[in-house]
Amino acid sequence: DQQVKQNSPSLSVQEGRISILNCDYTNSMFDYFLWYKKYPAEGPTFLISISSIKDKNEDGRFTVFLNKSAKHLSLHIVPSQPGDSAVYFCAASDGTSYDKVIFGPGTSLSVIP
Amino acid sequence: DVKVTQSSRYLVKRTGEKVFLECVQDMDHENMFWYRQDPGLGLRLIYFSYDVKMKEKGDIPEGYSVSREKKERFSLILESASTNQTSMYLCASSPPGTSGGPTIRRIAKNIQYFGAGTRLSVL
Repeated sequence: DQQVKQNSPSLSVQEGRISILNCDYTNSMFDYFLWYKKYPAEGPTFLISISSIKDKNEDGRFTVFLNKSAKHLSLHIVPSQPGDSAVYFCAASDGTSYDKVIFGPGTSLSVIP
Repeated sequence: DVKVTQSSRYLVKRTGEKVFLECVQDMDHENMFWYRQDPGLGLRLIYFSYDVKMKEKGDIPEGYSVSREKKERFSLILESASTNQTSMYLCASSPPGTSGGPTIRRIAKNIQYFGAGTRLSVL
């Protein structure tokens, strides 16, 4: 059973609009969350993270929101650019198991010019 | 810049062959990981290592083994390749997370740095 879920396999957004990628988790012990971005033929690269003591973290055009009671987080990209087209993985860690993280299945974002 | 290098981008092997996937990192990271990426399943952890000669099973270790004889190198071994091991294999490294006292859980603040991946086809 997947502990980290990304229920939208794909998402298309017009350039300049907001992209919202969603992630749900089931393990209440998770206390640190990360988003990774992956282009074809490249490995994933770290994008942004959030600790469970916060409900929002912002880095330029990227903002991650965490709703602990709903076990839900979302990544907002504003404004979306064609170069943001990639697969986005949500990941979570409970900090107890040798720095392991659990990855979601990913959402493929297409930003249309 | 952190660099994680996987020895092959593409590999084609036959069922029953022994397969070695090599990964080298240049940032003196303690932790190294092997994942496989399959459509709809995301990245699943096969094995990881938190120090030289140390290894821990991930979520899907069956059919795989690993070797970490040097800090910078982490090898994934398919003892007898099977068609269901056709996949994209990704190696990653990271420094260790923050440690606390015995009553404080480690907070995994580390970021993992990935190689470009090896696409393995087993025929």
